[in-house]
Amino acid sequence: DAKTTQPPSMDCAEGRAANLPCNHSTISGNEYVYWYRQIHSQGPQYIIHGLKNNETNEMASLIITEDRKSSTLILPHATLRDTAVYYCIVKRDGGFKTIFGAGTRLFVKA
Amino acid sequence: DTGVSQDPRHKITKRGQNVTFRCDPISEHNRLYWYRQTLGQGPEFLTYFQNEAQLEKSRLLSDRFSAERPKGSFSTLEIQRTEQGDSAMYLCASSSLGPTDTQYFGPGTRLTVL
Repeated sequence: DAKTTQPPSMDCAEGRAANLPCNHSTISGNEYVYWYRQIHSQGPQYIIHGLKNNETNEMASLIITEDRKSSTLILPHATLRDTAVYYCIVKRDGGFKTIFGAGTRLFVKA
Repeated sequence: DTGVSQDPRHKITKRGQNVTFRCDPISEHNRLYWYRQTLGQGPEFLTYFQNEAQLEKSRLLSDRFSAERPKGSFSTLEIQRTEQGDSAMYLCASSSLGPTDTQYFGPGTRLTVL
């Protein structure tokens, strides 16, 4: 599975969009991009995943570049409850082992 | 709530004691995973079950660790002769068979070894 690179921390003002970048320059054609988040002392929470096309659900949007070497998770209107560690993970089609990096610690400030 | 549940949520034990944790996955999920997470780090994969078969074990899973999923439903993770280095959050996740593998995590069991 390809490795990912994320900034260690980011700040965002409450009510503004939070844009969390992820680089995965060695991604293969059959590897998906997954995003999870972990709020302090809780288990990771699945957010969204995608292969090539941009994806949107009730939690977030995932924008994947055309060359698939990077992606951005967008929380459209961040709230204080979105303060968490966000993990970008690349995993092959049918793969089961989820390899977490250090993630990005997002601080949403009032 | 039909999410993944884990029991206990917290466990404090003395070095050398055995501990056992339980995970109840989402009911229709065939796949079950155990991870370990230490402070400031992301979760690390320990082992994976498909139904009752344990298909993968990490090198992190020493001989003191054993996991079972006897009927393909709930799973247990046992640690024998605990050491202080075993102190961590133990996370369970489950997913259904399919082309992608979206894992849903439980709240974790926090183990403290004194």
